[in-house]
Amino acid sequence: EAGVAQSPRYKIIEKRQSVAFWCNPISGHATLYWYQQILGQGPKLLIQFQNNGVVDDSQLPKDRFSAERLKGVDSTLKIQPAKLEDSAVYLCASSLFAGIEAFFGQGTRLTVV
Amino acid sequence: QQQVKQSPQSLIVQKGGISIINCAYENTAFDYFPWYQQFPGKGPALLIAIRPDVSEKKEGRFTISFNKSAKQFSLHIMDSQPGDSATYFCAASDNYGQNFVFGPGTRLSVLP
Repeated sequence: EAGVAQSPRYKIIEKRQSVAFWCNPISGHATLYWYQQILGQGPKLLIQFQNNGVVDDSQLPKDRFSAERLKGVDSTLKIQPAKLEDSAVYLCASSLFAGIEAFFGQGTRLTVV
Repeated sequence: QQQVKQSPQSLIVQKGGISIINCAYENTAFDYFPWYQQFPGKGPALLIAIRPDVSEKKEGRFTISFNKSAKQFSLHIMDSQPGDSATYFCAASDNYGQNFVFGPGTRLSVLP
């Protein structure tokens, strides 16, 4: 079974630039999560999708972050404009449905300089 | 977002010893409590999980103990091995499958 795929693996941008991350969940998984993990901290939930609908985006900084999951499969997370404090690993996870085991991708390490 | 507290922040154990990591929560709607293991440069991977209807779950060398009344749960790693050296996160989600939150993590080092 293929795992959660994320790209790119690494990204370095200057502050005020924009960046986008892509996630392809495990086939058939209805629930998709985006997490932000700052170095030395636990993952922080940014947004949760159920199919192509948003279930929880209470922690998403909506003035600069946006996410979509068109057709209920792949998802993209965008930051525009980026700030220095956005430097982190952005993790995508998926599960068959909410409330059970979530499988994580390897993440995208973002460095904002 | 409801939090999960985790301790200790770091833990050093001799090979063959027992590693114990503790977590506590406040949200009584939480009903799924997984533990994740993360190696550097990798995403978290599920180790073991428990629901409130049982007080203990064991899988190989890993055991979760759950105390519903105290709103606490812990991970025990028996016969700890150097290969167990990683960061461990407790997590929780509610009975709607929402609020999937993580603790701050425990960095475990098992000395050979």
